[in-house]
Amino acid sequence: DAGVIQSPRHEVTEMGQEVTLRCKPISGHNSLFWYRQTMMRGLELLIYFNNNVPIDDSGMPEDRFSAKMPNASFSTLKIQPSEPRDSAVYFCASSRTSGGPRGDQYFGPGTRLLVL
Amino acid sequence: GDSVTQMEGPVTLSEEAFLTINCTYTATGYPSLFWYVQYPGEGLQLLLKATKADDKGSNKGFEATYRKETTSFHLEKGSVQVSDSAVYFCALQTGANNLFFGTGTRLTVIP
Repeated sequence: DAGVIQSPRHEVTEMGQEVTLRCKPISGHNSLFWYRQTMMRGLELLIYFNNNVPIDDSGMPEDRFSAKMPNASFSTLKIQPSEPRDSAVYFCASSRTSGGPRGDQYFGPGTRLLVL
Repeated sequence: GDSVTQMEGPVTLSEEAFLTINCTYTATGYPSLFWYVQYPGEGLQLLLKATKADDKGSNKGFEATYRKETTSFHLEKGSVQVSDSAVYFCALQTGANNLFFGTGTRLTVIP
């Protein structure tokens, strides 16, 4: 199994630029989660999808953040415009809601974002 | 609301010492409980879990017992190694599919 794939692994951009983070969940997993991790705030759930439908986006910090899941094998998290306070590690995770243990989330390696 | 409170770190131990990281929870219903581990530069990995009261989860020498009477799920290991140095997260899941994570406890094991 390939595991959860995220790209890019590192991103350095300037304030005001658009940033797009990508995630490919594990095949057969029907839930997908986006997290943000910082030293100050720890691990925060931004949004999660079940069967490609956003279920809870209450963690999305503001309108500058948007997430999509056009199909079962791909999701994006977009920040437009980016700000220095968005600098963090962004993780994607996937899990099953049926046909297997629930709650076992599999995390990708993360995208380390630095906004200058 | 549902939440997890875990022991603040950092925790520094000598190799072969006994480890306990405390975790207590607040939840409606009957949650499943998890410990995840994050090694430097990596994403979180599931370490162990328990889905009902009195269950014991175990993996790689780590153990945790689901204690409903004390609403706790403390992580223990009898003899830590340098390779156990990581951040450990306690988490719970109730009816929905998402997890509520604690703030994480950083463990450093010195030779």
